[in-house]
Amino acid sequence: DVVMTQSPLSLPVTLGQPASISCKSSQSLVNSDGNTYLNWFQQRPGQSPRRLIYKVSNRDSGVPDRFSGSGSGTDFTLKISRVEAEDVGVYYCMQGTHWPGTFGQGTKVEIK
Amino acid sequence: EVQLLESGGGLEQPGGSLRLSCAATGFTFSSYGMSWVRQAPGKGLEWVSGISTRGDNTYYADSVKGRFTISRDNSKNTLSLQMNSLRVEDTAVYYCAKDYRGPDYWGQGTLVTVS
Repeated sequence: DVVMTQSPLSLPVTLGQPASISCKSSQSLVNSDGNTYLNWFQQRPGQSPRRLIYKVSNRDSGVPDRFSGSGSGTDFTLKISRVEAEDVGVYYCMQGTHWPGTFGQGTKVEIK
Repeated sequence: EVQLLESGGGLEQPGGSLRLSCAATGFTFSSYGMSWVRQAPGKGLEWVSGISTRGDNTYYADSVKGRFTISRDNSKNTLSLQMNSLRVEDTAVYYCAKDYRGPDYWGQGTLVTVS
């Protein structure tokens, strides 16, 4: 199975400051159809996960534009341009290129 | 609006069985693959099982292969997960998810406790 490795696992941030989460895969996530199926999810405390980003950099409907995804091949990044209080939670990357889909360990974002 | 509503969780003894169901509304159920993803208490997310649009292809994590069976009824817009030979380590919240190369919509989850 493809191993997804996130860093850091804990990320204390100051309100209004940027935040960045790295996600590395054990093999390339470029699919034979040319797409890279790398997703980012947010899980707020006590809630179900919610997808934020699909195919590396596409924001889902309703996701604030302070969230952005980038990367290619095996290295990916989720950035929050200015952290707000509602961004507290755990963020997961997940690859859908290879079966079975696999998640990163999660990065806990908290306010300093 | 896409809605996924899981049911069937509860407390079961090791070796026992449970059947989870997921009622889907707000989208053309028969056009999308579906998955079950679980989350053990205080832990991360683990994809458990997936099924193709017509149900003719199913996929399982190694941890549940041979014990769990995923199925769907497109006439009733329902996804199911039959869980047999339950183990303590199967204790988790189980989420139903609409899936294409990764879940895009998730249910609220149903708690399965094996003890």
